[in-house]
Amino acid sequence: DAGVIQSPRHEVTEMGQEVTLRCKPISGHDYLFWYRQTMMRGLELLIYFNNNVPIDDSGMPEDRFSAKMPNASFSTLKIQPSEPRDSAVYFCASSFGGTSTDTQYFGPGTRLTVL
Amino acid sequence: AQKITQTQPGMFVQEKEAVTLDCTYDTSDPSYGLFWYKQPSSGEMIFLIYQGSYDQQNATEGRYSLNFQKARKSANLVISASQLGDSAMYFCAMREGYGGSQGNLIFGKGTKLSVKP
Repeated sequence: DAGVIQSPRHEVTEMGQEVTLRCKPISGHDYLFWYRQTMMRGLELLIYFNNNVPIDDSGMPEDRFSAKMPNASFSTLKIQPSEPRDSAVYFCASSFGGTSTDTQYFGPGTRLTVL
Repeated sequence: AQKITQTQPGMFVQEKEAVTLDCTYDTSDPSYGLFWYKQPSSGEMIFLIYQGSYDQQNATEGRYSLNFQKARKSANLVISASQLGDSAMYFCAMREGYGGSQGNLIFGKGTKLSVKP
């Protein structure tokens, strides 16, 4: 079975440009998570969805960030306009179930560099 | 207060020896899960092992085992017979069962393990 798929794997852009990160969760999983990893802050949750509905977006840093999940097999994280401080690795993860017993499986991540 | 604490920023272990990576956690939720992930230099996050708060026995997965001490709120990862490929960052994480933000994982800062030949 395919794992979580993310694209692109690497993105280099200039400040002010729009960036869109994509994620395909594991088929059948009903929870999808977006995390960001930086040296300073470690791994932090940005937003998560249950059955395509955003449940908690309190981790989204500011209005420049938005996320959508139009269907069960696709989600996007968009940054507009991008800033150098957005440079990080962005992970998408999915799980079947949202309880404490349910394992989240991560995609390979997108390494974003904003110049 | 940090919910997940990993006190060892870096560790060295000799190949073929066992190593213990420490993790303590803080929660008032009676239902929670503890997870360990491995992040090699290539960057992906690989799930290793899970321990539930109600599990009576320590979890094991191949060379990985979890030393779960509930009263002390610790969930240490033990890697037996270390291999060079075990060199990576290791993250302890917790997912709480009820109340608060139910879905997400809370991560520690990680421990960088280096296996010496």
